[in-house]
Amino acid sequence: QVLLVQSGTEVKQPGASVQVSCKASGYEFVSYGISWVRQAPGQGLEWMGWVSPYNDDTNFAQKFHGRLTMTTDTSTSTVYMNLRSLRSDDTAVYYCARGHSYFAYWGQGTLVTVSS
Amino acid sequence: DIQMTQSPSTLSASVGDRVTITCRASQNVNMWLAWYQQMPGIAPRLLISKASSLESGVPSRFSGSGSETEFTLTINSLQPDDFATYYCQQYDIYPWTFGQGTKVEI
Repeated sequence: QVLLVQSGTEVKQPGASVQVSCKASGYEFVSYGISWVRQAPGQGLEWMGWVSPYNDDTNFAQKFHGRLTMTTDTSTSTVYMNLRSLRSDDTAVYYCARGHSYFAYWGQGTLVTVSS
Repeated sequence: DIQMTQSPSTLSASVGDRVTITCRASQNVNMWLAWYQQMPGIAPRLLISKASSLESGVPSRFSGSGSETEFTLTINSLQPDDFATYYCQQYDIYPWTFGQGTKVEI
């Protein structure tokens, strides 16, 4: 079955960077994009962007331009999301999800807390 | 960015009720709309894509309709497992955007 397994909880100081991984299994990795969606505590869902494991194409929400990177490792079927210059309002659960438009499969979520 | 506005924000209902959630887009998104259900502390679950296509495994009491700027999610005969928060999402124009959510509570 399709599984997306994310890395664990992170606590970061303001200004730092965080990398969250998402390891895919149960399907052909290069056939589907991987998107990232975040959810601040008690808030709604926010799409951040997606990456194609096939050709490394990316599309990011404008608000993250310059701070967000997404990379893929086809040898391990893993996608990495890197967010730089963290602020307190980046505190959220970060989800990876399969697909570049709508999302039928999701990772379990990774809590990233930004606090001094 | 396209604004997705859901109404109501909170809905009180009982088991067996028929409930309807509305999602309005600030501009035409054609049929490119999805609905998700989210339980506390768990990743969202896709219910419907392309406005009205029910995902495999989703009970038939869920249905979606609408196009362009106005969409609805209907749950017929609400079950205990259906008390959750529901989100719409447009995927017509980048950046993809979600509604603010509708909490269905007892």
